[in-house]
Amino acid sequence: EIVLTQSPATLSLSPGERATLSCRASQSVSSYLAWYRQKPGQAPRLLIYDASNRATGIPARFSGSGSGTDFTLTISSLVPEDVAVYYCQQRSTWPHTFGQGTNLEIK
Amino acid sequence: EVQLLESGGGLVQPGGSLRLSCGASGFTFSSYAMSWVRQAPGKGLKWVSAISGNGGTTYYTDSVKGRFSISRDNSKNTLYLQMNSLRPEDTAVYYCAKYMGYYYGMDVWGQGTTVTVSS
Repeated sequence: EIVLTQSPATLSLSPGERATLSCRASQSVSSYLAWYRQKPGQAPRLLIYDASNRATGIPARFSGSGSGTDFTLTISSLVPEDVAVYYCQQRSTWPHTFGQGTNLEIK
Repeated sequence: EVQLLESGGGLVQPGGSLRLSCGASGFTFSSYAMSWVRQAPGKGLKWVSAISGNGGTTYYTDSVKGRFSISRDNSKNTLYLQMNSLRPEDTAVYYCAKYMGYYYGMDVWGQGTTVTVSS
């Protein structure tokens, strides 16, 4: 199965700063990568699909890029409500594996 | 409103069985693939299983193959996960989720149901 490795494990930034989260695949997943956000005590929510497409209702300050094995989720200007764990997931091959998550903290 | 509601979780002994259900509303259920994703206490998300819109194709992660079975009843707008030979490591919150389009991503999630496997 494809292993997704996310970095960093924890990211601590201030409001207004830019967050850059990374996801690396053990083999090419083309552009078949999604990003999810899971706020404390809530179910996950889809942010980005197929590497760079924002899901319905997701603000433009969330953007995704990458292809092959290296992907990035960028949050352009952090707000306190962005505190969450962010996961990447590939749909290139079954099983549709998740990364281990990046915990985003707001100072 | 598009909604998914899981049920059927609980406490079960190792080796036991449990069937989870996920009721869907607000969208044409039969048109979309569905999945189960679990999250062990304090851990990350783990994709478990998926099923095509017509129920004809199913997929599983290796650790549940031969023990879990995903199915759906499109006439009842309901997704199921039959879990047999349960192990303590199956303890988790189980989410059902709807795929958008052709498995592009999971855009609707339930709130989850908790399964605890313990003696």
